[in-house]
Amino acid sequence: GDSVTQMEGPVTLSEEAFLTINCTYTATGYPSLFWYVQYPGEGLQLLLKATKADDKGSNKGFEATYRKETTSFHLEKGSVQVSDSAVYFCALSGGSNYKLTFGKGTLLTVNP
Amino acid sequence: SAVISQKPSRDICQRGTSLTIQCQVDSQVTMMFWYRQQPGQSLTLIATANQGSEATYESGFVIDKFPISRPNLTFSTLTVSNMSPEDSSIYLCSVDSTRSYNEQFFGPGTRLTVL
Repeated sequence: GDSVTQMEGPVTLSEEAFLTINCTYTATGYPSLFWYVQYPGEGLQLLLKATKADDKGSNKGFEATYRKETTSFHLEKGSVQVSDSAVYFCALSGGSNYKLTFGKGTLLTVNP
Repeated sequence: SAVISQKPSRDICQRGTSLTIQCQVDSQVTMMFWYRQQPGQSLTLIATANQGSEATYESGFVIDKFPISRPNLTFSTLTVSNMSPEDSSIYLCSVDSTRSYNEQFFGPGTRLTVL
């Protein structure tokens, strides 16, 4: 079945540092790929998405590129801020039933 | 994007009791989903609820334990029955986007603690 493997956390960075959170997936067919973010005490919010190979999703300075050859969708940001502290989930959706399969989540803490 | 509310936002319950969680959306949606997020874990889909039909449950989840209602296109409920401490989790509902394929919007979640 479908699965998502993402980098174990927690990740602790200083403000303005470069961020990478790795995500790889296993799926049949051509899934859509997502990064969701969960800020403390809040629900999940869609951060960015990509629906086909070589697509780049971007939002709020975050980027991720759909790499079919390496089955990856790594999340990057060039300069993190304290307000980026949250849990980040990589997810995929394949097939016609809209089911989302999530990775385990990565807790990011950014210190001033 | 859809605005989704859940009630209650949190609850503490005794073993053996049941809790019904409500999910309300500000627009009509076709599909609603219920997820469980156990402490320190990822989200796991419990079931998919379409209006006018029985909910479709994922492997490991059964209707007797998690009955779901979907009476109209803006509302759904999830009941956690005969609770045990292992049911302590955050329960989230989500809805499919009417504008973007395979995209879902999530509610704020219900934090359940079972003693």
